[in-house]
Amino acid sequence: RKEVEQDPGPFNVPEGATVAFNCTYSNSASQSFFWYRQDCRKEPKLLMSVYSSGNEDGRFTAQLNRASQYISLLIRDSKLSDSATYLCAVKVQKGGGNKLTFGTGTQLKVEL
Amino acid sequence: DTGVSQDPRHKITKRGQNVTFRCDPISEHNRLYWYRQTLGQGPEFLTYFQNEAQLEKSRLLSDRFSAERPKGSFSTLEIQRTEQGDSAMYLCASSSQGTLVNGYTFGSGTRLTVV
Repeated sequence: RKEVEQDPGPFNVPEGATVAFNCTYSNSASQSFFWYRQDCRKEPKLLMSVYSSGNEDGRFTAQLNRASQYISLLIRDSKLSDSATYLCAVKVQKGGGNKLTFGTGTQLKVEL
Repeated sequence: DTGVSQDPRHKITKRGQNVTFRCDPISEHNRLYWYRQTLGQGPEFLTYFQNEAQLEKSRLLSDRFSAERPKGSFSTLEIQRTEQGDSAMYLCASSSQGTLVNGYTFGSGTRLTVV
């Protein structure tokens, strides 16, 4: 089983729709969680950190479910410009290093 | 520019040649990471440095790969005797020590094509 798993998609949604992605992780000791956005042939860019209590940034909401070991990203009122690949990243190991393990990414296509 | 810089942006090389990439992290960051990303996959961890010490290497990092960070500032990643399977985007990231609150900052990457 992979340490971090995502549905690769693509998710094709109409503009204005609400879409949600999940990302599961296998190590219950995982600590820090992040969502990154990656445009085609560009580097990943941090979208948002995921806090234990859940957090929101405009149209984006991130949640953490430790019991079921997954994080989620909800995008409301999706825009054409939201089309991208969304990567989840997890700090799996305790201690120093801050090594992040990434999922394969979920591709989102927002259509007219 | 206060971001992570990588050079070159693109590299085309013939199979069997050696290539070297450079990464300049954000100046106040003492941790530096190298990742490799192929099409349709997420970034895969290769190695990381804390200051000049290389503290972890992935088993993905075969003996043809070597990374250095001699003065704890910039880093180089060398691939010897390149193979077509080495074709990928090589990403560098940096972070400060301590709790990873805001994730990594990635550079723009070096896209390697081995022909």
